[in-house]
Amino acid sequence: AQTVTQSQPEMSVQEAETVTLSCTYDTSESNYYLFWYKQPPSRQMILVIRQEAYKQQNATENRFSVNFQKAAKSFSLKISDSQLGDTAMYFCAFSSTNAGKSTFGDGTTLTVKP
Amino acid sequence: NAGVTQTPKFQVLKTGQSMTLQCAQDMNHEYMSWYRQDPGMGLRLIHYSVGAGITDQGEVPNGYNVSRSTTEDFPLRLLSAAPSQTSVYFCASSYSVSLTSYNEQFFGPGTRLTVL
Repeated sequence: AQTVTQSQPEMSVQEAETVTLSCTYDTSESNYYLFWYKQPPSRQMILVIRQEAYKQQNATENRFSVNFQKAAKSFSLKISDSQLGDTAMYFCAFSSTNAGKSTFGDGTTLTVKP
Repeated sequence: NAGVTQTPKFQVLKTGQSMTLQCAQDMNHEYMSWYRQDPGMGLRLIHYSVGAGITDQGEVPNGYNVSRSTTEDFPLRLLSAAPSQTSVYFCASSYSVSLTSYNEQFFGPGTRLTVL
């Protein structure tokens, strides 16, 4: 069974600064997908960024980028130029080739301070 | 497209009552899943389905039942509600995946359930 660990329950960052959220996972599979989801107070789960394990290049989406270290089973999220709207809980998730079986970490609550 | 819809948004039950949480998607997704989210925790998989007529258990299936008679609908039944089932429930759907395809899950808005 896969496990996903987010070791930072809470983090804060000043507006316009950069913050990195950590995620490690454990799996015996060689092909899989990793995701970061954002959950604002509205509860809606919003996909932030995804990474396919067979791709060596780190994914980027505007101000969001990941550092994917497959051998270390690490998948961190970097948010640049933090904005007040980035305040939310962030979940790291693992998915094997079956998309209906995602495993989530316990989340990191990020607060962006003005 | 409405995406993934869930009803109701809020529900209060008494211990021992039964009810069905509804989930529907209009994206013709093969895969559908139910998760629960307890306070301060991530989402845990209850049941999932890879297509109409096919369901399987996830990490925390006890006390829940599902069926999938159509591609669009995936209801979750609580057989005899218990206070331990107080949680927020999310339904999600996605396309089936190959090793070279992307398989993003689309989530519904959630149902907040309280069992007294």
